[in-house]
Amino acid sequence: GENVEQHPSTLSVQEGDSAVIKCTYSDSASNYFPWYKQELGKRPQLIIDIRSNVGEKKDQRIAVTLNKTAKHFSLHITETQPEDSAVYFCAASGNNDMRFGAGTRLTVKP
Amino acid sequence: GAVVSQHPSRVICKSGTSVKIECRSLDFQATTMFWYRQFPKQSLMLMATSNEGSKATYEQGVEKDKFLINHASLTLSTLTVTSAHPEDSSFYICSARLGAGKAFFGQGTRLTVV
Repeated sequence: GENVEQHPSTLSVQEGDSAVIKCTYSDSASNYFPWYKQELGKRPQLIIDIRSNVGEKKDQRIAVTLNKTAKHFSLHITETQPEDSAVYFCAASGNNDMRFGAGTRLTVKP
Repeated sequence: GAVVSQHPSRVICKSGTSVKIECRSLDFQATTMFWYRQFPKQSLMLMATSNEGSKATYEQGVEKDKFLINHASLTLSTLTVTSAHPEDSSFYICSARLGAGKAFFGQGTRLTVV
């Protein structure tokens, strides 16, 4: 089955800096890659996603890149703000599953 | 749009009893629903994938007779934890998939077995 690895497990940045979280996946059949943000005590919220036929997608301060050949994808957050502090999960999905990475705890220091 | 409601949010049950958790997509039809278990400060571990009108697909190591999943309609999936034991205490959370892509989470259920 699919195996998703995510790095780093924790990330601390200064407000205004950029943050990058990286994931790799194992199943070449995976074709959809979402990213979720989970704040303490809340449900994961979808923040951005990308399909395997696209190399990059951007939404304001958030962008995701996908290298299908290398089976890795990354989340980029620019101009970080304290409210970006949360746990971020990547996921890889085929037709009938959606598996998550271990998560990255992002702390943005004011 | 894309609201997923999960109930109950918290439940305490006695060891040996069964507990049912409901996951509803309120404003869309979900052909697929996923059930996860999340331990404190850890990731979302996929337990099973539920497709409307067919049997659920369970992940390796997940006992299908203990965690009964029913996906009776395009808006409702249920997870029943049978003969619950303290080690089943956890946070269970569902997600409902919109088409072939986006999946949205319910608020989760904190199960405590005493």
